[in-house]
Amino acid sequence: EDQVTQSPEALRLQEGESSSLNCSYTVSGLRGLFWYRQDPGKGPEFLFTLYSAGEEKEKERLKATLTKKESFLHITAPKPEDSATYLCAVQDHSGGSNYKLTFGKGTLLTVNP
Amino acid sequence: DAGVIQSPRHEVTEMGQEVTLRCKPISGHDYLFWYRQTMMRGLELLIYFNNNVPIDDSGMPEDRFSAKMPNASFSTLKIQPSEPRDSAVYFCASSLEQTTPLHFGNGTRLTVT
Repeated sequence: EDQVTQSPEALRLQEGESSSLNCSYTVSGLRGLFWYRQDPGKGPEFLFTLYSAGEEKEKERLKATLTKKESFLHITAPKPEDSATYLCAVQDHSGGSNYKLTFGKGTLLTVNP
Repeated sequence: DAGVIQSPRHEVTEMGQEVTLRCKPISGHDYLFWYRQTMMRGLELLIYFNNNVPIDDSGMPEDRFSAKMPNASFSTLKIQPSEPRDSAVYFCASSLEQTTPLHFGNGTRLTVT
């Protein structure tokens, strides 16, 4: 069974203080790793997809990286508007045509001005 | 594009009552997913459809849960009878293909008393 563990559960930063969120995963065959952002009262919003170890994606102050066992979401010089819950999800291709995302429980990021 | 639309946003009902949640996916998306989110378990896939056909309902917790997709622009998730442990936020999501990111609605917060 696929497993996704995110750490820390919560992270509080000062504006401008860079840090990283971790997503450790166990899958039989990785098809893709996804990062989503979720604001209170809203549905998750797609950020990145990573497909193979060594791959990196960037968007504004966010950069996602992938190894064979984990992914990091690096936040550079965060602003208060980056405060949200960040979710990681994996999809494996061991199930044939069965498309299934397994989500972690997320990291609640708070950026103080 | 209006995105994925869910209704109602909030539902409060008494134990034993029937609850119906509704979803309109993004036009042209062939895949539709129903997820449930709780603090304890995070986001869990309940069921997903491809071209209106249910593909995997292994996440549906009990026979009290049922889902239908009568056409490409509408899906329902029904709980009958409802129980307090069904209280959660239920999300609908759609995607263009199997490998493309999910687009989530803003969810229905269900409270069963």
